[in-house]
Amino acid sequence: NAGVTQTPKFQVLKTGQSMTLQCAQDMNHEYMSWYRQDPGMGLRLIHYSVGAGITDQGEVPNGYNVSRSTTEDFPLRLLSAAPSQTSVYFCASSYSAGATDTQYFGPGTRLTVL
Amino acid sequence: AQSVTQLDSQVPVFEEAPVELRCNYSSSVSVYLFWYVQYPNQGLQLLLKYLSGSTLVESINGFEAEFNKSQTSFHLRKPSVHISDTAEYFCAVSLGGGSNYKLTFGKGTLLTVNP
Repeated sequence: NAGVTQTPKFQVLKTGQSMTLQCAQDMNHEYMSWYRQDPGMGLRLIHYSVGAGITDQGEVPNGYNVSRSTTEDFPLRLLSAAPSQTSVYFCASSYSAGATDTQYFGPGTRLTVL
Repeated sequence: AQSVTQLDSQVPVFEEAPVELRCNYSSSVSVYLFWYVQYPNQGLQLLLKYLSGSTLVESINGFEAEFNKSQTSFHLRKPSVHISDTAEYFCAVSLGGGSNYKLTFGKGTLLTVNP
């Protein structure tokens, strides 16, 4: 099992550009989520999905879109990048959305917006 | 809504010394508690979790945490640390009967183990 994979590992964008961060898992997990990690702020939930075709907003969804067409993939789209979106982005998955389920994290994408 | 406070943002220690990373939470209902660890340039991975039963939970690499309901704490301890324990540690809480999208993380504690 590869677990949770993310691409790219690093990305530099100019303000106003758009891009998609890819996330895939091979564990047949129903629940997937995207977090951003900023220094001194811990992890904040951007969007999540409880199954294919079902997505919802987390704590900081503005400026981001998601879709879940398959169980395996959960891409995160930045519509028009802003410097405030400079961050490290983590995708995570778990067997279900249950509160006791362990989340498995990808290695992260480090994004810089100039 | 629940919240998590990690009382120390950085904890420097010498190798083979004991360490305690402090975590307090606030919630009016029952909770599940987690410690995740993030090694340099990696994603987070679960270290240990408390769901129910014995209040003392252990990890495979010598860490332990004790759930203290009266003090609303879930401090992480290790009696003797190694250089390889250098990482950032995150405490997290979710509500009993709730969902993973309500998982709340603390701001993290950077543990640096010096030779």
